[in-house]
Amino acid sequence: SQTIHQWPATLVQPVGSPLSLECTVEGTSNPNLYWYRQAAGRGLQLLFYSVGIGQISSEVPQNLSASRPQDRQFILSSKKLLLSDSGFYLCAWSPMGTGGREQFFGPGTRLTVL
Amino acid sequence: GENVEQHPSTLSVQEGDSAVIKCTYSDSASNYFPWYKQELGKGPQLIIDIRSNVGEKKDQRIAVTLNKTAKHFSLHITETQPEDSAVYFCAARRNTGTASKLTFGTGTRLQVTL
Repeated sequence: SQTIHQWPATLVQPVGSPLSLECTVEGTSNPNLYWYRQAAGRGLQLLFYSVGIGQISSEVPQNLSASRPQDRQFILSSKKLLLSDSGFYLCAWSPMGTGGREQFFGPGTRLTVL
Repeated sequence: GENVEQHPSTLSVQEGDSAVIKCTYSDSASNYFPWYKQELGKGPQLIIDIRSNVGEKKDQRIAVTLNKTAKHFSLHITETQPEDSAVYFCAARRNTGTASKLTFGTGTRLQVTL
């Protein structure tokens, strides 16, 4: 069966510090990968998605970047965090070959920028 | 782009009653509509989905209906139980080729009281 991992689970960082959140998927190959941000009491906003190694599409201009160094690894980064980067970050994957409809989410990382 | 509106934002029902959550979408080309349940501090879990060639789908106490002409879809939960308490999100999929780009509603907080 497929599983998706995210770490860390929680993170408190000062303004201006760098960020690296990691997501890995097990039990599948060539997944589509996604990064979402969920602000408090809000819906999910798609930040980035990737259909393959090194292929990153950005949905909204922002202070963050994403990379996919391996097939089942997706990393969300920032060089200098802003207060507005606080939120709940969710990684998701969808299988290839099905039109990628179903998305499965990881447990999330709660980021607080102080 | 796609816009998904979800109502109500909060919903309180007594155990055993039914709950209905409604969503509307703007992009007539959207063809896939999942519903996610998110418990506190966790990632969203897919609970049911419907494709645009189907008008209704049921899974035990959960059902989803889709009206393509009116561009709205609804989640129905019957015989609600305390464990149904969570935040529910609807979403619509834009057809972008290989990636499944979902646009989410802002969520409904469902509280089932004893």
